[in-house]
Amino acid sequence: AQKVTQAQTEISVVEKEDVTLDCVYETRDTTYYLFWYKQPPSGELVFLIRRNSFDEQNEISGRYSWNFQKSTSSFNFTITASQVVDSAVYFCALSDRNTGNQFYFGTGTSLTVIP
Amino acid sequence: NAGVTQTPKFRVLKTGQSMTLLCAQDMNHEYMYWYRQDPGMGLRLIHYSVGEGTTAKGEVPDGYNVSRLKKQNFLLGLESAAPSQTSVYFCASGTSLSSGNTIYFGEGSWLTVV
Repeated sequence: AQKVTQAQTEISVVEKEDVTLDCVYETRDTTYYLFWYKQPPSGELVFLIRRNSFDEQNEISGRYSWNFQKSTSSFNFTITASQVVDSAVYFCALSDRNTGNQFYFGTGTSLTVIP
Repeated sequence: NAGVTQTPKFRVLKTGQSMTLLCAQDMNHEYMYWYRQDPGMGLRLIHYSVGEGTTAKGEVPDGYNVSRLKKQNFLLGLESAAPSQTSVYFCASGTSLSSGNTIYFGEGSWLTVV
């Protein structure tokens, strides 16, 4: 069964618009971790955030914010006032005890910010 | 400031040839992983290791072998390359869940099998 679903394959926004990237996960474990990674055009994978299942507090880091809702099994990522440098593929990932420290990634959302 | 280093970064192979991708990490991480990235399919786990001398299969292990003889190194081998193995390969390393795990990736290795 697919553990992480990123239904948005591609999104385009105009610079300075806000954009939300959706992530829905599936796990039977009560202890799990969720992640977001960014892959810019240069190809490397950059860690953005880690959230554990016991902490539903939303987090803000500059223009980035994350909304974790256990009730809907979602961990969405919002970029406020998007910039061209935000253009990248963004991956959501899940790790839980059942997977033995494996990480399951979604298929990614490609974000293009148009100047 | 090395982190996770992969070699080679680019390689072209002929069908049937063999090769080894090397991953080295300098963060003393217990866990190491090999993923492949293909268009529209995200990152899929090939093999992983939970410590020196151990390896385990991931989602797509067929056609690959791995070894973890030293804690800092994780080798991915293709014994007889096939065009379906044309992909971008990423190595990653991390700590355990209980240690607040996060995994960190190398820069990727672009492999083309013709």
